Amino acid sequence: DQQVKQNSPSLSVQEGRISILNCDYTNSMFDYFLWYKKYPAEGPTFLISISSIKDKNEDGRFTVFLNKSAKHLSLHIVPSQPGDSAVYFCAASARTGTYKYIFGTGTRLKVLA
Amino acid sequence: EAGVAQSPRYKIIEKRQSVAFWCNPISGHATLYWYQQILGQGPKLLIQFQNNGVVDDSQLPKDRFSAERLKGVDSTLKIQPAKLEDSAVYLCASSLGLAGAYNEQFFGPGTRLTVL
Repeated sequence: DQQVKQNSPSLSVQEGRISILNCDYTNSMFDYFLWYKKYPAEGPTFLISISSIKDKNEDGRFTVFLNKSAKHLSLHIVPSQPGDSAVYFCAASARTGTYKYIFGTGTRLKVLA
Repeated sequence: EAGVAQSPRYKIIEKRQSVAFWCNPISGHATLYWYQQILGQGPKLLIQFQNNGVVDDSQLPKDRFSAERLKGVDSTLKIQPAKLEDSAVYLCASSLGLAGAYNEQFFGPGTRLTVL
């Protein structure tokens, strides 16, 4: 049962353009969402998060949008840079039990110079 | 501040052998997590410790996997005996806060296990 889905395994974007990574979830109990970035041979690093009480959170070039009715979130990177090339995971958590994170399968972003 | 340390970085074993992974979390972090990431999938939580107690091990295959966090600091994850499907990257993470709240998790580089 894949509760968090990233349906695009890969994405290529030209440097300077916008990158949009998408994530869908099925569990309506999720109320906190995160994006992690992972470079090869390194562990994931936290990028940005959003609580379900918001529909947008911005941090520099990164913005996460949350559409609760559609159970959908997206990460926008503007402008995209070659150093953004990595695998991006979205994760979701619910305010129950241990608040554990459920990760999606990841999207590999390649920013072309 | 030193990050989460893991060793070894790579391990190749034959099926039915045993293997152990070690993790040293960020100093002062109360919560420690072990994740399994199979190729093409996202990390899946195996076990979560708060200090030296287990908070969640619902997805740990307890017939072959075991983990401990002695003295509430570093931790070991063991697989005995290993199966082909255990081939994965094993990630350790730690967070400052306690279970029961949203805490930023800091990940180590992982141990890539190949079972032949």
